Amino acid sequence: DGGITQSPKYLFRKEGQNVTLSCEQNLNHDAMYWYRQDPGQGLRLIYYSQIVNDFQKGDIAEGYSVSREKKESFPLTVTSAQKNPTAFYLCASSINLGLGEQFFGPGTRLTVL
Amino acid sequence: AQKVTQAQTEISVVEKEDVTLDCVYETRDTTYYLFWYKQPPSGELVFLIRRNSFDEQNEISGRYSWNFQKSTSSFNFTITASQVVDSAVYFCALSEAVTNAGKSTFGDGTTLTVKP
Repeated sequence: DGGITQSPKYLFRKEGQNVTLSCEQNLNHDAMYWYRQDPGQGLRLIYYSQIVNDFQKGDIAEGYSVSREKKESFPLTVTSAQKNPTAFYLCASSINLGLGEQFFGPGTRLTVL
Repeated sequence: AQKVTQAQTEISVVEKEDVTLDCVYETRDTTYYLFWYKQPPSGELVFLIRRNSFDEQNEISGRYSWNFQKSTSSFNFTITASQVVDSAVYFCALSEAVTNAGKSTFGDGTTLTVKP
């Protein structure tokens, strides 16, 4: 079945550690996105990528980094520079940037201890 | 700048009641797209509908219907004869074709609780 997978579903990390969240899609979509969701709030865009080897900062990119070496993969690294990383992280993809609906993965809930 | 407002933070209804979720948007683009997504307790957002700015026809899909009115910059979502399985957080989103290079802006969501 086509879709988006994110791993792990739950992640715990100690303060000061970097952590990488995985996102893979087999929908053959060009565009991919990372969002952060805090309790009771909407989705805020962290990074997005329109095509392989290209990505752009979203609204809250500070403390995060991404790569897009393959069309199927768009991993997100939460660095120690992110002041408040505990949140629910959602990865999404669409056929192209903005014009089509986005398909979302199941999310990763990150907790910093 | 594009903006989406979902003024209703939480709505609670009893099963079989009709319920309307409001969405008001702001944009300067003439070409844009509007979306509704559902987020059940599992967390994964599910796409419900997309509308482009040139198509103001209302749409009905089973118990779901959408009312798009450019004159009031609104894109409201109605669930008829609500069911417990409709309980979720619903997000409205806007994507501008030009100004924001197609990036989507999401509202803060409306939490719908349908009681049996």
